[in-house]
Amino acid sequence: SQQGEEDPQALSIQEGENATMNCSYKTSINNLQWYRQNSGRGLVHLILIRSNEREKHSGRLRVTLDTSKKSSSLLITASRAADTASYFCATEPPPIQGAQKLVFGQGTRLTINP
Amino acid sequence: KAGVTQTPRYLIKTRGQQVTLSCSPISGHRSVSWYQQTPGQGLQFLFEYFSETQRNKGNFPGRFSGRQFSNSRSEMNVSTLELGDSALYLCASSLGQKAAEFFGPGTRLTVL
Repeated sequence: SQQGEEDPQALSIQEGENATMNCSYKTSINNLQWYRQNSGRGLVHLILIRSNEREKHSGRLRVTLDTSKKSSSLLITASRAADTASYFCATEPPPIQGAQKLVFGQGTRLTINP
Repeated sequence: KAGVTQTPRYLIKTRGQQVTLSCSPISGHRSVSWYQQTPGQGLQFLFEYFSETQRNKGNFPGRFSGRQFSNSRSEMNVSTLELGDSALYLCASSLGQKAAEFFGPGTRLTVL
């Protein structure tokens, strides 16, 4: 079962604009990770944010985490055509909660129009 | 450092056959996890191995099994293949719990 809900399911913007994707989850977590996937290929790790962190940056990426609302957002600034991909959030629950290693959302399909 | 590698990249099998997929983790990573990705169910966790021991297991039937060797390389096996097993199978490695998971390119399995 998927813990995460991602919003929107699809997003289409013009090159140079910013893209924001949101992720909500249901249980407590150790960390939350964001991934990018180009069609049918493997997942590329973008950023990991721990449960005691509120914000993290990596290049043009900014991730926030609000554990009280069980939500996270990924902001991509100054988007490029190469950013076109599906983006997934994945949560790692504390081990006492059971069997899942990473629980994924259903993803946001981002299209950058030139 | 070389990334996670998976072999084969593509595989076509028929119903009832079995299949073995292989994964080599990033050097130094002792945790290897497997995931199944389908259009309908998305990304689902299969199992995790750490130091040759299965540490976690997802909600999949017993036809799905795996193992890990002393060099951290891992294999997963699917027996008595069904049409619904057609999927992209992804392997990921990490240093352990609370660490970033890095994924391989996947094996695309088609069951006819």
